[in-house]
Amino acid sequence: NAGVTQTPKFRVLKTGQSMTLLCAQDMNHEYMYWYRQDPGMGLRLIHYSVGEGTTAKGEVPDGYNVSRLKKQNFLLGLESAAPSQTSVYFCASSYGRVEAFFGQGTRLTVV
Amino acid sequence: AQSVSQHNHHVILSEAASLELGCNYSYGGTVNLFWYVQYPGQHLQLLLKYFSGDPLVKGIKGFEAEFIKSKFSFNLRKPSVQWSDTAEYFCAGLWQAGTALIFGKGTTLSVSS
Repeated sequence: NAGVTQTPKFRVLKTGQSMTLLCAQDMNHEYMYWYRQDPGMGLRLIHYSVGEGTTAKGEVPDGYNVSRLKKQNFLLGLESAAPSQTSVYFCASSYGRVEAFFGQGTRLTVV
Repeated sequence: AQSVSQHNHHVILSEAASLELGCNYSYGGTVNLFWYVQYPGQHLQLLLKYFSGDPLVKGIKGFEAEFIKSKFSFNLRKPSVQWSDTAEYFCAGLWQAGTALIFGKGTTLSVSS
């Protein structure tokens, strides 16, 4: 039982490049989330999903897109990376409106 | 808007000192409250949670928190900290009208041995 697994763990992008972050959970959770963590800002919600095929915007969705084609996977895409998107990205999942379980994070640097 | 505030940004303690980290949440109806810990370089782990019932909640590693509805507070406490408690601590709320956890900005705890 791996819990929540994020791929990749580290990445350096040039401004304007695109990439996709993959989140996979093996706990059969309905809800999945993408957060970004910045120093002094805590965790801020980017997008979330309450079930396969559904997604919704969080607090800071601009510049990101997501897809939930399979229940166990939640993808976060950056179409044209900007230095302001340098951050640590955390994926999380939950059974519903209870505690969330977090992945190990992806450290993204945009130069 | 629903929000969580953590007033202590950085707390420095010596081993064996007592700890109390403040957390206040905004009014917005029924709320579930959580404390998470993030050790250096690691992901967030749940310390404890409060949904209802006894307002004094005990979690892992000797931590506890008290829900005080009249003060909109959910402070985290530990009687005697250890060097291994050095980490960042996040308070989070999940309101009945919401779907995702809303986090405070975090408190960095540094414990010297």
